[in-house]
Amino acid sequence: EDQVTQSPEALRLQEGESSSLNCSYTVSGLRGLFWYRQDPGKGPEFLFTLYSAGEEKEKERLKATLTKKESFLHITAPKPEDSATYLCAAAMDSNYQLIWGAGTKLIIKP
Amino acid sequence: DSGVTQTPKHLITATGQRVTLRCSPRSGDLSVYWYQQSLDQGLQFLIQYYNGEERAKGNILERFSAQQFPDLHSELNLSSLELGDSALYFCASSVGDRTSRNEKLFFGSGTQLSVL
Repeated sequence: EDQVTQSPEALRLQEGESSSLNCSYTVSGLRGLFWYRQDPGKGPEFLFTLYSAGEEKEKERLKATLTKKESFLHITAPKPEDSATYLCAAAMDSNYQLIWGAGTKLIIKP
Repeated sequence: DSGVTQTPKHLITATGQRVTLRCSPRSGDLSVYWYQQSLDQGLQFLIQYYNGEERAKGNILERFSAQQFPDLHSELNLSSLELGDSALYFCASSVGDRTSRNEKLFFGSGTQLSVL
C-alpha cells in the first residue's frame, strides 16, 4: 500500500536549536516528493519539490534532502516564526496524485 | 496570498442539511482540487477537475459532489451532512492536469465546516 509517514508528530525546540523532520514513503514509483508548510487556519504553502535520491534544496533556514526511502527537512537555528505544521507529500508515477503525510507540528520557543 | 479564493470561511449547519463550498482558482490555473482536513485524518484528497472535466477521484463520499464551471470556478456540494463531516475543506489549484515535475499546488485558506 502506498503510504507516507511523518515523524515526529510534534517537535518543540528552543530558538536556535537545530533539528530534522522525517518523511518516510513507500510508493510504487516516486515522481516527486513535496514539502509544504501550514500555518494555523491557513492552507498549505509550497516549500520544495525533490525528484531523485541525493537531491537537496535550501530556502533560508530550511534544507530538504531525499533518499530512496525517506526525506528530511533540516531546520538550522530556527526562529519562532518557523513554528508551523510541515507536511510532506509523494507524487506517484502511476496517477500523479499526491499522498500526504499527517504532518509534523513544529513549535519554536523564544 | 496564494491567489486561490474560497468562500465562505466558516459554515455552521445542522445534520441532514446540504451546503455548497465555492472556490476560485488562481488566474491561469486550469486544475482545481478539493481536500478535506480533519484532526484525526490529515489531508485527504477528494476530487480533481481540469478545465471543466473530472480528472481524478479520491476518498469522496457519494453524498459529496463537485463541478467546475466554464469560468473555472468550482463548487463542492455536501449533502445529508453528518457530524463526522465537520472539517476544514481546502481547494487548491495548479496550471496543468496532473501534479507533474514542474507543478505545485496553491491552496486557498479553506472553509471550516461545523455540523451540529
